[in-house]
Amino acid sequence: DTGVSQDPRHKITKRGQNVTFRCDPISEHNRLYWYRQTLGQGPEFLTYFQNEAQLEKSRLLSDRFSAERPKGSFSTLEIQRTEQGDSAMYLCASSLVSGRAKNIQYFGAGTRLSVL
Amino acid sequence: TQLLEQSPQFLSIQEGENLTVYCNSSSVFSSLQWYRQEPGEGPVLLVTVVTGGEVKKLKRLTFQFGDARKDSSLHITAAQPGDTGLYLCAGGDYKLSFGAGTTVTVRA
Repeated sequence: DTGVSQDPRHKITKRGQNVTFRCDPISEHNRLYWYRQTLGQGPEFLTYFQNEAQLEKSRLLSDRFSAERPKGSFSTLEIQRTEQGDSAMYLCASSLVSGRAKNIQYFGAGTRLSVL
Repeated sequence: TQLLEQSPQFLSIQEGENLTVYCNSSSVFSSLQWYRQEPGEGPVLLVTVVTGGEVKKLKRLTFQFGDARKDSSLHITAAQPGDTGLYLCAGGDYKLSFGAGTTVTVRA
């Protein structure tokens, strides 16, 4: 399978705990994006990387959120001191930055976070 | 606030009927994407439209991009139960802005 892979698929945690999600993009894609989707809404942009550089962060990404892409391949999204309002589907996508398929984003299956 | 407005929010039809989903914005987009999402899964890309007035066909699905590149529509002919899902439109050069989606249910 050469698509975008996310792990875990589901995470249940207690309020106040830290959680970390992983995303493995399509191997030749240099851009990687994180989105959050709540029930009844479309995905909302959180942040994106080009190679290992984090180029933009949304206002939605509070200080408790941190994302990394240390070697320009996989990425992690960590949420510290989780709150019930963090419950959502966290989606990762990747794309090329040039060529005919430039900026066409392919999504992973997501990580469903439930904060109790 | 979502830049893209989708209508209707819900659509339930019988197998074999046709349906149209709309995506409208006050902003001009260089391209729009349509995705289909099933419960508990990520969005799956259906098509990208880039040229104003463009029409793309994907089997029974027809996608249209408005001349002014502010709106788009998705038309499904002879819908099947397998077409059931959440249809999302999205636009943007790199970070995508999504509509809230149209939930389509096709009854057998």
